[in-house]
Amino acid sequence: EAGVAQSPRYKIIEKRQSVAFWCNPISGHATLYWYQQILGQGPKLLIQFQNNGVVDDSQLPKDRFSAERLKGVDSTLKIQPAKLEDSAVYLCASSRLVGVQAETQYFGPGTRLLVL
Amino acid sequence: SQQGEEDPQALSIQEGENATMNCSYKTSINNLQWYRQNSGRGLVHLILIRSNEREKHSGRLRVTLDTSKKSSSLLITASRAADTASYFCAVNAGGTSYGKLTFGQGTILTVHP
Repeated sequence: EAGVAQSPRYKIIEKRQSVAFWCNPISGHATLYWYQQILGQGPKLLIQFQNNGVVDDSQLPKDRFSAERLKGVDSTLKIQPAKLEDSAVYLCASSRLVGVQAETQYFGPGTRLLVL
Repeated sequence: SQQGEEDPQALSIQEGENATMNCSYKTSINNLQWYRQNSGRGLVHLILIRSNEREKHSGRLRVTLDTSKKSSSLLITASRAADTASYFCAVNAGGTSYGKLTFGQGTILTVHP
């Protein structure tokens, strides 16, 4: 079974520029997550999709971050404009979901973003 | 709000020794999960323990859960250099959280050959 795919793996931009990350989840996984992981910290959930609907975006900085999941499969996370504090690894994960309980999440390799 | 909080923040041991990491949380939970992260393989799921379970085993891993104390522990027995990584607990809170996981800060484990 293919894992979660993400691209690009690395990105360096200057502040105030925009950037987009792409994620392709494991086939058949209805739930997709985007996390931000700052160096030395645990992953923080930014947004969670169930199929192509958002079920949690309470920690997404909506003035600069946006995400979409068209057709309930691939997803794109965008930052516009980027700030220095956005430097982090952006992780995508997917899972099956049974009711309201979390099942195992499968993570992609992440995109390491550096904002200069 | 931070849910899982791991202790210790860092742990250094010799190969063959056991490693114990602890996690505390604040609210009721559906389940608690442990993940490992290293530079080579990214973030990998290790084990899931549900709120009505007290102990689970998987190979050299043993996880306990005490819901009365809102705490969990991860024991790695007979550690190997390849176990060197960061270990995170992640809490799926009770209620309609729709699978949301809240991760702790992690424990950095170093196993010396």
